[in-house]
Amino acid sequence: EVQLLESGGGLVQPGGSLRLSCAASGFTFSGYTMTWVRQTPRKGLEWVSAIGSSGDSTFYADSVKGRFTISRDNSKNTLYLQMNSLRAEDTAVYFCARDDVAVVRGIRVGYYFDSWGQGTLVTVSS
Amino acid sequence: DMQMTQSPSSLSASVGDRVTITCRASQSISTFLNWYQQKPGKAPKLLIYAASSLQSGVPSRFSGSGSGTDFTLTISTLHPEDFATYYCQQSNSPPHTFGGGTKVEIK
Repeated sequence: EVQLLESGGGLVQPGGSLRLSCAASGFTFSGYTMTWVRQTPRKGLEWVSAIGSSGDSTFYADSVKGRFTISRDNSKNTLYLQMNSLRAEDTAVYFCARDDVAVVRGIRVGYYFDSWGQGTLVTVSS
Repeated sequence: DMQMTQSPSSLSASVGDRVTITCRASQSISTFLNWYQQKPGKAPKLLIYAASSLQSGVPSRFSGSGSGTDFTLTISTLHPEDFATYYCQQSNSPPHTFGGGTKVEIK
């Protein structure tokens, strides 16, 4: 059974830092792109960052670029999100998700998040 | 960034009703469109990927259609456990943006 378990959330002051972790089990972690998604009541679901299976390619939303760093340790089956220069608007529940791809006759026809963690709450407030 | 617009933002329905939710992309995304269901306090759950492919384990009363910019999620016969919020998401180009959600409530 695929399991993703986030940790590291909490209360942090504006300008502070936090590192989220996502421990994966039940699948070959090194074979999948992984993504962080966050959710707030006001903005809904927001794609934050993604990292390729080997860690050599990373992607960021404009809202976090230059402040957040995604990484992974395939030997530990763990995904990370280092969050620096945190702002009030970063307050959210952060989910990690596994990316999968649909292929039909050798052509990629879809990318989707087929497994999600339970989420960890990050609150940025003084 | 690609904008995803869902409608309606909420609806009231009864058990047994047929429910249709629409999602419109600001640009053509072919069939790179997914649908998720979310219940309070839980993570989203994948229902439909690539516009019309049913995720394993999801009941067949859920179906998706569309291509280009206009997409539809249909629940053929609403069950009590289907009262939730539904989100579309495009995966054609990063960032893989989500729609604003449609809350399906009990009438």
